Amino acid sequence: QKEVEQNSGPLSVPEGAIASLNCTYSDRGSQSFFWYRQYSGKSPELIMSIYSNGDKEDGRFTAQLNKASQYVSLLIRDSQPSDSATYLCAVEGGSYIPTFGRGTSLIVHP
Amino acid sequence: GAVVSQHPSRVICKSGTSVKIECRSLDFQATTMFWYRQFPKQSLMLMATSNEGSKATYEQGVEKDKFLINHASLTLSTLTVTSAHPEDSSFYICSATGDSFPNTEAFFGQGTRLTVV
Repeated sequence: QKEVEQNSGPLSVPEGAIASLNCTYSDRGSQSFFWYRQYSGKSPELIMSIYSNGDKEDGRFTAQLNKASQYVSLLIRDSQPSDSATYLCAVEGGSYIPTFGRGTSLIVHP
Repeated sequence: GAVVSQHPSRVICKSGTSVKIECRSLDFQATTMFWYRQFPKQSLMLMATSNEGSKATYEQGVEKDKFLINHASLTLSTLTVTSAHPEDSSFYICSATGDSFPNTEAFFGQGTRLTVV
């Protein structure tokens, strides 16, 4: 069974700091990796996708992928209180059906 | 990103009645749509995957006769919760992906909060 693991948190960081969110996955054949942000009571919103090893940067967000170690991470620089949400990692391995982790709750305090 | 519209956003229904939730892709052709259920403080649970023109594929433990899914066009999928009961109260979310997106990026609708009384 394909598994995607995330620490449920909460991860608490001060405003302006770097928040680091991690995700590991079990299926070595996984090809596509996504990070979604979900505010309480809302549906998930896609914020980053990454498909090859290395880093991908988009504004304050950087996704990092290491297929050999089967982990993907999301860094949020200059964290803001508005970044407080649950971050879901999703992995897809060719079946076109993404597998979601349980999410990590991030709290950015002023 | 692409826009997926889900309707209604909230619905309250009486036990034993049926509720239909619509999921529309507004600016792309959704070859595949996913239906999820999420209970408070829990992760997304995939209920079923539907491809346009085909029968939906249900996940283990999801009753296909209770959760009817129709994906009759490339822009619309519906989920009907039949004979709803209080334990069906949950947050139902659809997502859609299409051939025009790289590597199966999927976009979510706003979600429907169903309360069965």
